[in-house]
Amino acid sequence: AQSVSQHNHHVILSEAASLELGCNYSYGGTVNLFWYVQYPGQHLQLLLKYFSGDPLVKGIKGFEAEFIKSKFSFNLRKPSVQWSDTAEYFCAVRGNTDKLIFGTGTRLQVFP
Amino acid sequence: DAGVIQSPRHEVTEMGQEVTLRCKPISGHDYLFWYRQTMMRGLELLIYFNNNVPIDDSGMPEDRFSAKMPNASFSTLKIQPSEPRDSAVYFCASSLGVLSSNEQFFGPGTRLTVL
Repeated sequence: AQSVSQHNHHVILSEAASLELGCNYSYGGTVNLFWYVQYPGQHLQLLLKYFSGDPLVKGIKGFEAEFIKSKFSFNLRKPSVQWSDTAEYFCAVRGNTDKLIFGTGTRLQVFP
Repeated sequence: DAGVIQSPRHEVTEMGQEVTLRCKPISGHDYLFWYRQTMMRGLELLIYFNNNVPIDDSGMPEDRFSAKMPNASFSTLKIQPSEPRDSAVYFCASSLGVLSSNEQFFGPGTRLTVL
């Protein structure tokens, strides 16, 4: 069965710090990978997605993620966070079904 | 397009009452998903439809939950009778395509509180 692990449950950073949120999945076949963001009180929005090709994917708002197949990982990065990045971040994987399997989320707090 | 529309945005009810949540997917999308989000369990897929047909309802917690999609532009999630542990945010999402990498678009959610 497919599963997604997000090891960082709560991350606290100061503005301008660099960010890396971990995401590991378990599935042996071809996968589509996603990062969604949920700002306080809002619905989930897509940050970026990986289907195939270049394993380094660039998304909105300066975020990027790298797919490392050998490590079953899809970590999210941003070189310099802003206060407005305070949100909850969800990694998701889709294997050979139409279902998205979400991780439990990482809550990011950025202080000015 | 207005995006995925959910109603109501907030619902407060008493234990034992019937609750109906509504969703209008993005026009033209052929997949519709219902999720539940809680602090304890995160985001869980309850059920999803393809072309109005339920494909996988293995995430539906118990018989008190039911979902329908009578046409391509409307779906309901019903809880009867409701219990306090059903309190959560319920999201509807829609997407286009089959076994594709297409994005799921989420609605604003319905925050349900069962007293």
